[in-house]
Parts: sequence; C-alpha cells; structure tokens
Amino acid sequence: GESVGLHLPTLSVQEGDNSIINCAYSNSASDYFIWYKQESGKGPQFIIDIRSNMDKRQGQRVTVLLNKTVKHLSLQIAATQPGDSAVYFCAEKLTGTASKLTFGTGTRLQVTL
Amino acid sequence: GAVVSQHPSRVICKSGTSVKIECRSLDFQATTMFWYRQFPKQSLMLMATSNEGSKATYEQGVEKDKFLINHASLTLSTLTVTSAHPEDSSFYICSARRIGTNTEAFFGQGTRLTVV
Repeated sequence: GESVGLHLPTLSVQEGDNSIINCAYSNSASDYFIWYKQESGKGPQFIIDIRSNMDKRQGQRVTVLLNKTVKHLSLQIAATQPGDSAVYFCAEKLTGTASKLTFGTGTRLQVTL
Repeated sequence: GAVVSQHPSRVICKSGTSVKIECRSLDFQATTMFWYRQFPKQSLMLMATSNEGSKATYEQGVEKDKFLINHASLTLSTLTVTSAHPEDSSFYICSARRIGTNTEAFFGQGTRLTVV
C-alpha cells in the first residue's frame, strides 16, 4: 500500500528576508549537486547546480554552498518573495552514474507577508 | 531552454486496467530518461532509467513487469502501469538528460494517477 506520508520540515520566512535551506547528503563519492524547487502538483524545477570541485556558486538571488568535509549543502535565497514558497529538494549524483540522481527529503519554504 | 512534456497530467482509471504515460523532450534529444514516483509529502524515488534503444534499468524493488518502460526514440519514453491497483495511485515524474551531457536533468510536469 501507499507509504505513510512524512511530515516535511518547514521553514517560515518573512517576505524580504533571506532564506537558508540545508541539506545533508549521504555519499562522499557524489560529484554533482542540484537544488530543485517543486510547487504543488508540478514537476521539479532546476534552480542551481554545483560540482564537487567548487564550494560556492551564485545565481540570480540564489547561492549554493557546498561543504564536502561534513557532506553539507545549502541553498540561500536572497530577498525571499511569496513566489518562492514551494518544496525545495537537493539532489546528488554519484560519480560515473550518468545523471542518476538521489533526492533528499525536501524542505517546505513558507513565505509570510 | 530544455522542455520536457508529460502526458497526461492527470488520469483516473479503473482497477485492473493499464495506463500509459508519455514523456517527451520537446527541444532536445535525450538518450537517457528517468522515471520517478512521488507519494504525498515525500521525496522523489527513482523507479527506472530508460535508455534509447535498450532495456530499462529498474531500481531494486520496482517490478519491471508491472511498470513497462519503452524508449523508442531520442525524444520519447513511455511508462505503462499494467493492471493498475489503488496502491499504484501516485505522482509519476519523468526527467530527461540532454544527449552529450551527463549532469543536469530536466523534469516533466508530472502525471497524477488515481486508480479507483
């Protein structure tokens, strides 16, 4: 039967503030990481990626930080907007597995006015 | 941009019938497509990797005879849920990897399957 739904961790942020979403990944052999945004009833939308030979990458209003020592990834969203409300997933790709991604559990971001 | 289209977006079927879901890469060629399943409030779970012109590779615990995958061209992969039962009700999502790359995958909008 269908698995019991898990309660997604939720981050509530006031509009205009910065958001930091964290992710612990599992495999030290992962060489590529992606953050996705998923709105209700839709597929994941690519936000930003980073390779394991980098520790920081910036995009428009978003920054991804990678700490390989502790296997930690974070997504920073500057000046959070109501349209940023969604579930955010990190995904990791193992070296040599040709885009086979393993997804984290996800964090729900709620932007309050 | 790279667009991946899934069809249908929603489907309701009777228990025991089969349902086919299509995944198309609209503006690029994809040698590899991936099929995921997602339960409410949960993450995406990879079901299988679909390679053009060859058999799909299924993840552990996924029944290949239950979830038939066909990847007949560089722009189309299909997932058929055979003899569907209520426990197969879920959100199914495909992604496609652009030919010549081995990193970013682009996702379809998902298909909500409800088996009654």
